[in-house]
Amino acid sequence: DGGITQSPKYLFRKEGQNVTLSCEQNLNHDAMYWYRQDPGQGLRLIYYSQIVNDFQKGDIAEGYSVSREKKESFPLTVTSAQKNPTAFYLCASSTERYSYNEQFFGPGTRLTVL
Amino acid sequence: GESVGLHLPTLSVQEGDNSIINCAYSNSASDYFIWYKQESGKGPQFIIDIRSNMDKRQGQRVTVLLNKTVKHLSLQIAATQPGDSAVYFCAEISSGGSYIPTFGRGTSLIVHP
Repeated sequence: DGGITQSPKYLFRKEGQNVTLSCEQNLNHDAMYWYRQDPGQGLRLIYYSQIVNDFQKGDIAEGYSVSREKKESFPLTVTSAQKNPTAFYLCASSTERYSYNEQFFGPGTRLTVL
Repeated sequence: GESVGLHLPTLSVQEGDNSIINCAYSNSASDYFIWYKQESGKGPQFIIDIRSNMDKRQGQRVTVLLNKTVKHLSLQIAATQPGDSAVYFCAEISSGGSYIPTFGRGTSLIVHP
């Protein structure tokens, strides 16, 4: 089955630790995105990548880092510099860069800082 | 007390009723609009889309209406079912924004059996 997967579903982190969230897609999509969702809020863009080996900051990139070494993978690292990391993180992909098309979302990772 | 910001706008309907969810968008240059459905604890799913050269588009039990004059988008769900209970987001996309969607805050739809 084609799709976009995120792991783990739930993640707990101690303050001061970095943690990496996985996002993989087998849809052969060029573009991938990371969003953060807080209770009662819409989706806020963290980082996006329109092509392999290139990525751009979104609206709330501070305290986060990404890499795009492979077309199918776009991991997100939440660093200790992110002051309020507890949230629901969503990864998405879309077929082509710089075009009008829908995004396909993964199931999300819920990160809790203890 | 609780922060108002934690609560989404909510629409509560009876099973079988028609539902209308509204969205005001901000960018008059937006060319493409999408409605997503997000069930609790899951990622959003595509429902229907519409381009700016249209004012209405119909899907299965859903209709999207676009009023560019007042920058307003609506999603109509016919014969609403309990399985329609979810948060609904609109997204707007413009070429000037590098084709990156801007999402609305969302509306929570609650369907009572």
